[in-house]
Amino acid sequence: SQTIHQWPATLVQPVGSPLSLECTVEGTSNPNLYWYRQAAGRGLQLLFYSVGIGQISSEVPQNLSASRPQDRQFILSSKKLLLSDSGFYLCAWSLRFGEAFFGQGTRLTVV
Amino acid sequence: QKEVEQNSGPLSVPEGAIASLNCTYSDRGSQSFFWYRQYSGKSPELIMFIYSNGDKEDGRFTAQLNKASQYVSLLIRDSQPSDSATYLCAVNMQEYGNNRLAFGKGNQVVVIP
Repeated sequence: SQTIHQWPATLVQPVGSPLSLECTVEGTSNPNLYWYRQAAGRGLQLLFYSVGIGQISSEVPQNLSASRPQDRQFILSSKKLLLSDSGFYLCAWSLRFGEAFFGQGTRLTVV
Repeated sequence: QKEVEQNSGPLSVPEGAIASLNCTYSDRGSQSFFWYRQYSGKSPELIMFIYSNGDKEDGRFTAQLNKASQYVSLLIRDSQPSDSATYLCAVNMQEYGNNRLAFGKGNQVVVIP
C-alpha cells in the first residue's frame, strides 16, 4: 500500500532563517507530487507541483522553492523565511487522473 | 474565472437535515472530480470521487456531476455533528499534457445538534 511521510509536524522558525521540509512517498512509482499551503482560515494554495524528477512547476511567485531529487522525494525550501510564510504546509501525491493523498502536514510558525 | 470555485459562505444545518455544497470549474477537459473533508488542523481526506455525469451515492453522501454546466455538487443526508468540517472540491486539470489537481477554497459546514 502507498504511504506518504511528511516531517516535521510542527516548526517554529525566526524570520530570515532557512527552511527545508521533506516529503517522501512509498509504494508507488512516478507519482505527481504537490506542495500546498493553507493559511489560517483560508483555502489550499498550490505552491509547486511535479510530474517527474527534476520537473517543477511553480504556481505563485514567492521566496520558496521546491526540488525533486528522487522519484518519490519532494523538498520545499526557503533561504530566508518571512512572517507571511507561516501556515499549514501539505505535501500530496496523486497518479495521473486520480485523487490526491495528503501527508500529515507541517504547521510552520515564523516569529 | 478561477479554476475551481466554491462561493458559498459557511453553511449551518440542523442535525438530520441535508447539507448541499456546490462547485464550478473552468477546464472543459477535466475528467475527474473529488470531494475532500478537512477537519480543523488536519489534512484533507477523500470522501467521494465522480467521473461520469449524473449522481453517485456512497452512504450518506451523494456527488452530482454535470459536465455540460461544469458543475459538481455534494449532498450530505442526515447530517451529523461529526460532519462539521470544511469540504473541498477538487478537479483534475489538464495543462500542457500534464495533469494536476486544482482545489476550491472550501466550504465550512457546521451541523447544529
